[in-house]
Amino acid sequence: AQSVTQLGSHVSVSEGALVLLRCNYSSSVPPYLFWYVQYPNQGLQLLLKYTSAATLVKGINGFEAEFKKSETSFHLTKPSAHMSDAAEYFCAVSLYNQGGKLIFGQGTELSVKP
Amino acid sequence: NAGVMQNPRHLVRRRGQEARLRCSPMKGHSHVYWYRQLPEEGLKFMVYLQKENIIDESGMPKERFSAEFPKEGPSILRIQQVVRGDSAAYFCASSQIPTGQGSHEQYFGPGTRLTVT
Repeated sequence: AQSVTQLGSHVSVSEGALVLLRCNYSSSVPPYLFWYVQYPNQGLQLLLKYTSAATLVKGINGFEAEFKKSETSFHLTKPSAHMSDAAEYFCAVSLYNQGGKLIFGQGTELSVKP
Repeated sequence: NAGVMQNPRHLVRRRGQEARLRCSPMKGHSHVYWYRQLPEEGLKFMVYLQKENIIDESGMPKERFSAEFPKEGPSILRIQQVVRGDSAAYFCASSQIPTGQGSHEQYFGPGTRLTVT
């Protein structure tokens, strides 16, 4: 069965520093991969998605992620953190043969210090 | 184009009462997914529906929970005889076609926060 693991439930960075949020997946077939962001008391907003085209995916708000099949990873990065990036981030996987349900990681809360 | 709408945003029920959560998908979307987010946890898939059909309910608890998506009107997630453990945020998402086909993303609503007292 497929699963998603996000390393680090809390990550803290200084404003302007690199953001790196880790995501590893397990899947027996090529997956579709997603990163979502959730602000307090709100729904989830899609940051970016991997769909088996380019392995480096650019998303909104300056975020990007790289699909590495050999490492089964899909880490999320942003070169320079902004205070407004403070939120909960979720990595998710979907398989083409399972109707589209998303399997989520546990989430990583990002804090940005001034 | 309005996004996914959910109501109510907050719902308080006493133990043993029924909770009804509504979800209106984005215009043109015919696939609806329900997820539950327990405190300090990620989202867990519950059920996937198309109009008048339940496609995948592998994440639904066996008892007290049911879902429907009628031909007309919103999708409904119904919880009978609620217990304290049902307290959570319930999110609905919709997509144009199943996410697994062509990787169409799911658009999420703002959620319904259920509190059972």
